Amino acid sequence: GESVGLHLPTLSVQEGDNSIINCAYSNSASDYFIWYKQESGKGPQFIIDIRSNMDKRQGQRVTVLLNKTVKHLSLQIAATQPGDSAVYFCAEGPYGNKLVFGAGTILRVKS
Amino acid sequence: DTEVTQTPKHLVMGMTNKKSLKCEQHMGHRAMYWYKQKAKKPPELMFVYSYEKLSINESVPSRFSPECPNSSLLNLHLHALQPEDSALYLCDITTPGTEETQYFGPGTRLLVL
Repeated sequence: GESVGLHLPTLSVQEGDNSIINCAYSNSASDYFIWYKQESGKGPQFIIDIRSNMDKRQGQRVTVLLNKTVKHLSLQIAATQPGDSAVYFCAEGPYGNKLVFGAGTILRVKS
Repeated sequence: DTEVTQTPKHLVMGMTNKKSLKCEQHMGHRAMYWYKQKAKKPPELMFVYSYEKLSINESVPSRFSPECPNSSLLNLHLHALQPEDSALYLCDITTPGTEETQYFGPGTRLLVL
């Protein structure tokens, strides 16, 4: 399940299940959104992006959904694997300009 | 070449030292960014260079001095840092106005004693 405590929110899922990581953004002027994965000791790794003229975009095993009405972004990971364990950040901004990162969510995959 | 390299990987420096961080890319991307990331926190933007010109400075203290000598290289010069400047320093590249994705380097982990 999902929990929020003193540290980053953590999502624990069973290997093979689907994962959904959520992000709320505040700037209604943002028109570009990115999901990053960051493993321990590494820089953020681009996963998938979406422009505000789209509601959904699919990649390999990942789907990003954008709900502009409620300023909500989600990342769906199908058939979650142990290698998906990491911290996931959403980022928002004007396209081609600076990005503002969300707080991050820890994904833990149990074998 | 889809790689962004950063050197050094780790750096320990005293508060009176002068050091430099280096970021290099050969992907032709013309926007290069410096971010600072503290433990368990998201990256925070410091500087943006667009076509080798400084376009954004997020009110970063002058003890951090960026430099972009050419389209492949981005430096961050450090002088008289404080212990609270200890963090992971990340370089990011992209090309504004295109569908290119953004690439982060592996970062330099800096410890200021």
